[in-house]
Amino acid sequence: DIQLTQSPSFLSASVGDRVTITCRASQGINTYLAWYQQKPEKAPKLLIYAASTLQSGVPSRFSGSGSGTEFTLTISSLQPEDFATYYCQQLNSHLITFGQGTRLEI
Amino acid sequence: EVQLLESGGGLVQPGGSLRLSCAASGFTFSSYAMSWVRQAPGKGLEWVSAISDSGVATYYADSVKGRFTISRDNSKNTLYLQVNSLRAEDTAIYYCAKDGDPRPPSPYYFDYWGQGTLLTVSS
Repeated sequence: DIQLTQSPSFLSASVGDRVTITCRASQGINTYLAWYQQKPEKAPKLLIYAASTLQSGVPSRFSGSGSGTEFTLTISSLQPEDFATYYCQQLNSHLITFGQGTRLEI
Repeated sequence: EVQLLESGGGLVQPGGSLRLSCAASGFTFSSYAMSWVRQAPGKGLEWVSAISDSGVATYYADSVKGRFTISRDNSKNTLYLQVNSLRAEDTAIYYCAKDGDPRPPSPYYFDYWGQGTLLTVSS
């Protein structure tokens, strides 16, 4: 099975900061990678798919990049509503795995 | 508006069984693969199972293979998860999730999620 490792697991930042979260796959996954945001007591929300395609309705301050084994999610200027937990997710041979999550706090 | 509404969770004893349901609306249900994803209390997301648009193909995480069965009724726009031989570690919120693209590959990514249903396995 392909494993996803996110770094960091915890990130402290301030409103207006630029932050980057990294997701590394144990094997190459082309661009079969998505990013989600989850707030407490809520279902996850899709931000990015196909590694770099912004989901409709998601603010343009969110961006994704990468292919193969290394991927990044960047928030260009943190807003108060962005403090949440972020997960990467991959597809390989019809099996899905998620990263362990990155908790973004003030 | 896409809506996914899970039901069927509850308290079950170890070794017990339950059937979870997910009622879908607002999209052509029969055109999309669907998945179940769970989240144990205070933990991360774990994909559990997926089913193709027609229901012919099914896929499972190793942790539930042989114990859980995914199915769908496209005439009722409903997704199911039959959970058997339950263990304490199956305690989680179970979300149903819609695939983001009707084209292969599937499952791929999830553009809509339900609010989840809590399954607690305890004696």
